[in-house]
Amino acid sequence: AQSVSQHNHHVILSEAASLELGCNYSYGGTVNLFWYVQYPGQHLQLLLKYFSGDPLVKGIKGFEAEFIKSKFSFNLRKPSVQWSDTAEYFCAVNAGGGGNKLTFGTGTQLKVEL
Amino acid sequence: GAGVSQTPSNKVTEKGKYVELRCDPISGHTALYWYRQSLGQGPEFLIYFQGTGAADDSGLPNDRFFAVRPEGSVSTLKIQRTERGDSAVYLCASSFSFQGAGYTFGSGTRLTVV
Repeated sequence: AQSVSQHNHHVILSEAASLELGCNYSYGGTVNLFWYVQYPGQHLQLLLKYFSGDPLVKGIKGFEAEFIKSKFSFNLRKPSVQWSDTAEYFCAVNAGGGGNKLTFGTGTQLKVEL
Repeated sequence: GAGVSQTPSNKVTEKGKYVELRCDPISGHTALYWYRQSLGQGPEFLIYFQGTGAADDSGLPNDRFFAVRPEGSVSTLKIQRTERGDSAVYLCASSFSFQGAGYTFGSGTRLTVV
């Protein structure tokens, strides 16, 4: 069974700092990869996804993620964070071959300070 | 509707009671998913419907949990003989059925078993 690891559980940054959140998965076959975000008091929203093609994926609000197959990683990045990026971020993987079940990581709580 | 609707938003029940949680997916989404999220954890898969049938129920923790989707739209998650350990946020999501389709999540039902 696949699993997802998010190494940073809590991250605190100042506005304009650069962000990188780690995500590693364990599955040897074809995968689809996702980042979801949950803003305070809101439901989970899709930030970006990868399922084929260019391994550098661009999402909403200036976020991007890079799929590195050799490292089983899909790290999330943003060059300059804003206070409004304060949220919890979840990495998820769907193993290829059928079905659309997602396995989520435990999440990273990001706090951006003014 | 415009989004995934879950009712009730909060449910407090006594240990041993029966509860039903409802999910109304986005119109046109044939796939529907139930997840459970405990404090400090990522969403944990419970069951996935494709149309009216349960395509994968491998995440249901035991036979006290059951879900139906009789007409391929609204789904109900049913929990019998609730236990305090069932307390969590129960999330519903829907999607198109192609591989790699991102989910749209509802706001969840917070279940508290006292």
